[in-house]
This record gives sequence, C-alpha cells and structure tokens, in this order.
Amino acid sequence: DAGVTQSPTHLIKTRGQQVTLRCSPKSGHDTVSWYQQALGQGPQFIFQYYEEEERQRGNFPDRFSGHQFPNYSSELNVNALLLGDSALYLCASSRGQLSGQPQHFGDGTRLSIL
Amino acid sequence: SQQGEEDPQALSIQEGENATMNCSYKTSINNLQWYRQNSGRGLVHLILIRSNEREKHSGRLRVTLDTSKKSSSLLITASRAADTASYFCATADSNYQLIWGAGTKLIIKP
Repeated sequence: DAGVTQSPTHLIKTRGQQVTLRCSPKSGHDTVSWYQQALGQGPQFIFQYYEEEERQRGNFPDRFSGHQFPNYSSELNVNALLLGDSALYLCASSRGQLSGQPQHFGDGTRLSIL
Repeated sequence: SQQGEEDPQALSIQEGENATMNCSYKTSINNLQWYRQNSGRGLVHLILIRSNEREKHSGRLRVTLDTSKKSSSLLITASRAADTASYFCATADSNYQLIWGAGTKLIIKP
C-alpha cells in the first residue's frame, strides 16, 4: 500500500521563476493539505483541497495556488519565487474533510531559491 | 503564526532514560496530535488525544492533556537510539486545521 508520494525530491530555482510541486495521496485518502517548513521550524499550513476545491487556506499570498485532480492527486504552484520561499514543502493526506483524523505525510520537496 | 510552543527546544539524554516534552497552545482545540520527524523526512503521526481526554498511551508513549492549562506532554519511556528525531505537537482548531509548534529536537546518546 503506497503512502504519500511527492515529486520532485529536490528543486533549485531562481528568483522570479515559477514552480509546480506534485503529490499523490495515500490510497483511500481524498483530502490533501500542503505545508511549508522552513529550516528548524514547524510546518506552516498553506491550504487544503477536498473534492477538487480549496477548502481552507493559511496565511499565504495568492502567489501560492493549487489544484486537485479527480484521482485526488494535487499540485502546488508558486509564482514569482522569492528567496524566502526556500523551504521543505510537505504534502499530507487524510480521509474526509473536517474529520480530525491524523495526517499522513510524504517526504517533501526541498525547494532552494537562488 | 504558530499556536503551539514545545519545550524544551532541544533535549539530549542517555539511551534507556525517559524523555519528556511539553507543548503549550493558545486557543480552544478539538484535538492535539504529536508527530515525529526524522532529519530530512516527512512527519509521522504518533498519537492523537481529543479535548475530552486527559491521558493516552501507545506502546512506550504516554500523552497527557490539560485543557485548563492549555498544555500537553509527551513521555517516551526507555528511550532508544532510533527515537532520535524532532517531535512536534499540532492542535486542531474548530475547522480541524492543524497548527504546529516549532518542535523539540531529541537526541538519544548511546
């Protein structure tokens, strides 16, 4: 039973560029959440997708956008990259929105902005 | 902004000893969850305690929750080298959105 998978594992971009990160949820899960984790910090909630719609959003600018596909996989897009966007981006999946169930995490995408 | 604050920020103990980490939060919660993160990896769920529960056990883990003090503790008994990791608490608000602390870095010395 495959867990949450994310791609790519590492990515290097320059300021002003755009990036797309991908996530496949754990089998049987329909809700995907995205987090940003700076070095030495806890995860910061970006947004959550359920039934192909953004349901909740954290305190992130609209440079951060996402999408969820009918097979529940998800993408995170970041436009006009800033140096401060350098971080580990984590995808987590769970079953059912507002379920309060534990989340299953992928190993993340390490994004470095030069 | 972060809801939870873990204490201590770092903890180094000998293998076999017990490790205790604390988490404080600010607003009312539906549940509180503890996760472990090994270096460079994703987070792994350890235990969930609901707001109406006071204590929960899972193997060598014991979690307590005091909603009057808005605090929780995680106890790992008989620590092992494999327990070396960062530990995070996350609180689920009324919308079940998880808000995370900055974590406790635990080092188990052989």
